[in-house]
Amino acid sequence: EIVLTQSPATLSVSPGQRVTLSCRASQSIRSNLAWYQQKPGQAPRLLIFAGSTRATGIPARFGGDGSGTEFTLTISSLQSEDFAVYYCQQCHSWPYTFGQGTKLEI
Amino acid sequence: EVQLVESGGAVVQRGGSLSLSCAASGLTFDEYTMHWVRQAPGKGLEWISLISWNGGSTDFADSVKGRFTISRDNSRNSLYLHMSSLKIEDTARYFCATDMTPLMIRGRLDNWGQGTVVTVGS
Repeated sequence: EIVLTQSPATLSVSPGQRVTLSCRASQSIRSNLAWYQQKPGQAPRLLIFAGSTRATGIPARFGGDGSGTEFTLTISSLQSEDFAVYYCQQCHSWPYTFGQGTKLEI
Repeated sequence: EVQLVESGGAVVQRGGSLSLSCAASGLTFDEYTMHWVRQAPGKGLEWISLISWNGGSTDFADSVKGRFTISRDNSRNSLYLHMSSLKIEDTARYFCATDMTPLMIRGRLDNWGQGTVVTVGS
């Protein structure tokens, strides 16, 4: 099973700030990584797949990068609606696994 | 618009069984791999199972393997999760989700339901 480690667990940020979240895989997953956003009481929403491709309707301020074992999600200018928990997920091999999440808080 | 509606969540005793359903609409259901993902209270997401569009392939997380089964009825646009030998740690909100690409298993979950809650008590 591939283990994903996200850092940091919590990030205190301000609107307008640029933030970068990290996700590290226990073995190479090439570019087979997705990022999700989850707000309290809501289902997760797919942001990024294949490491860097934005899903339909996702604003351009969200960017994914990386391959192999190191990945990042960058939000170029935080909006108030971006305060949420972000999860990475490997889509490389079964069983698919998620990271433990990074919470963005004010 | 794709809609996924889970149902069947309940309070059950440890060691008991329960079946969850997911009703899908707004998509050609028999073209999409489906997944179950759960989230324990206050915790992160845990992928637990998938079934391919035609039911020919399934997989499970180690934490549920041998206790949970997954099935689908494409004539009813429905997905199912059959859970047995339930443990306290199975307490969670259970989401169903679609795989983004038709007729493939890519693990990119682009449509989600709101989930149904399973509570396992002692």
